[in-house]
Amino acid sequence: TQLLEQSPQFLSIQEGENLTVYCNSSSVFSSLQWYRQEPGEGPVLLVTVVTGGEVKKLKRLTFQFGDARKDSSLHITAAQTGDTGLYLCAGEYDSWGKLQFGAGTQVVVTP
Amino acid sequence: NAGVTQTPKFQVLKTGQSMTLQCAQDMNHNSMYWYRQDPGMGLRLIYYSASEGTTDKGEVPNGYNVSRLNKREFSLRLESAAPSQTSVYFCASRPGADTEAFFGQGTRLTVV
Repeated sequence: TQLLEQSPQFLSIQEGENLTVYCNSSSVFSSLQWYRQEPGEGPVLLVTVVTGGEVKKLKRLTFQFGDARKDSSLHITAAQTGDTGLYLCAGEYDSWGKLQFGAGTQVVVTP
Repeated sequence: NAGVTQTPKFQVLKTGQSMTLQCAQDMNHNSMYWYRQDPGMGLRLIYYSASEGTTDKGEVPNGYNVSRLNKREFSLRLESAAPSQTSVYFCASRPGADTEAFFGQGTRLTVV
């Protein structure tokens, strides 16, 4: 069982549609990060959210950190084929520096 | 900029063989990590080193050992490889807590 639960595991949508990916935990995090991973590559950071209730926007991507700092969501508006990838949330708790990841959500955007 | 460099990129081992995965970063980062990635499991933390001179277990440390050789290098050793250790291994580094983690390209390991 992973500390960070992501849902859904897999999402297939058409270009132009919207999607939301969730990251939940029973633990409080000092910060949460979202990464995207392409096949054959390591994950790359999209955003870090630090303050409870924080909302950050990165072009068509909107990230929200829950008020209690236990959960986060990623919303993509008008998805494009270039948004295809594995989306991973990550956070550290328990011990300083112990960065742990969720299982990821595989997003496939078709033309 | 090299960033995080992992070697080798691919490796096939026989059950029982040993090997060391190498990782080096040139960004003067304090923290370094080893993860494994299996289908449907995301990234699972094997060991990490929050700062030079310290190492700690992650979620799945059994069957592995690590060495933080210096600030730049963090190696992962499999003493007696098992088929269950077939996976893609990623090394990462970052300056400190709540900062961006930078990943290497990964090592694809197959144990037969």
